[in-house]
Amino acid sequence: AQSVSQHNHHVILSEAASLELGCNYSYGGTVNLFWYVQYPGQHLQLLLKYFSGDPLVKGIKGFEAEFIKSKFSFNLRKPSVQWSDTAEYFCAVFGAGSYQLTFGKGTKLSVIP
Amino acid sequence: NAGVTQTPKFRVLKTGQSMTLLCAQDMNHEYMYWYRQDPGMGLRLIHYSVGEGTTAKGEVPDGYNVSRLKKQNFLLGLESAAPSQTSVYFCASSGTGNSPLHFGNGTRLTVT
Repeated sequence: AQSVSQHNHHVILSEAASLELGCNYSYGGTVNLFWYVQYPGQHLQLLLKYFSGDPLVKGIKGFEAEFIKSKFSFNLRKPSVQWSDTAEYFCAVFGAGSYQLTFGKGTKLSVIP
Repeated sequence: NAGVTQTPKFRVLKTGQSMTLLCAQDMNHEYMYWYRQDPGMGLRLIHYSVGEGTTAKGEVPDGYNVSRLKKQNFLLGLESAAPSQTSVYFCASSGTGNSPLHFGNGTRLTVT
């Protein structure tokens, strides 16, 4: 079975600080990886995805993530956060041969102006 | 372009009552999913469907049933609601199994 672990439950940053949210997954085969964002009171939206190729993927709003296969990790980064990035962030994994997208428990990001 | 539409948006039930949540998508997607979201638990898959007429259990299927009689609709039923089913329910769809999911706006259900 596949699983996802997000290390931080709640991260608080000041505007302009750099962000890195950790995500590790457990699955023995090929994976597709995703980061979703949920702004307060809204549904989840796709930030970025990794299927294959360049392990550094760029998403919307200046976010990027790096897939490190040897570490089973897919960490999300942003060089300089804004107040509008306040949201909850979910890492998700889709294992080859699975019909299910498995989510981590989420990391709540609060950005202080 | 409606995308994924969930009805109702809010509902309050008494323990033991039944209800059906409706999800409709207009993107001709094969795959549809029902998740529940609880604080600190992330999203957990209840049931999913890989095509019209098919359904399968996810991570937390107990107490729920689903039907996919038409490709565009995926219904989630609670036969006898329990307080533990108080949650926000999200429907999602995708074109293929590993495509990004398109989510509905959610249904907030409270069971008293």
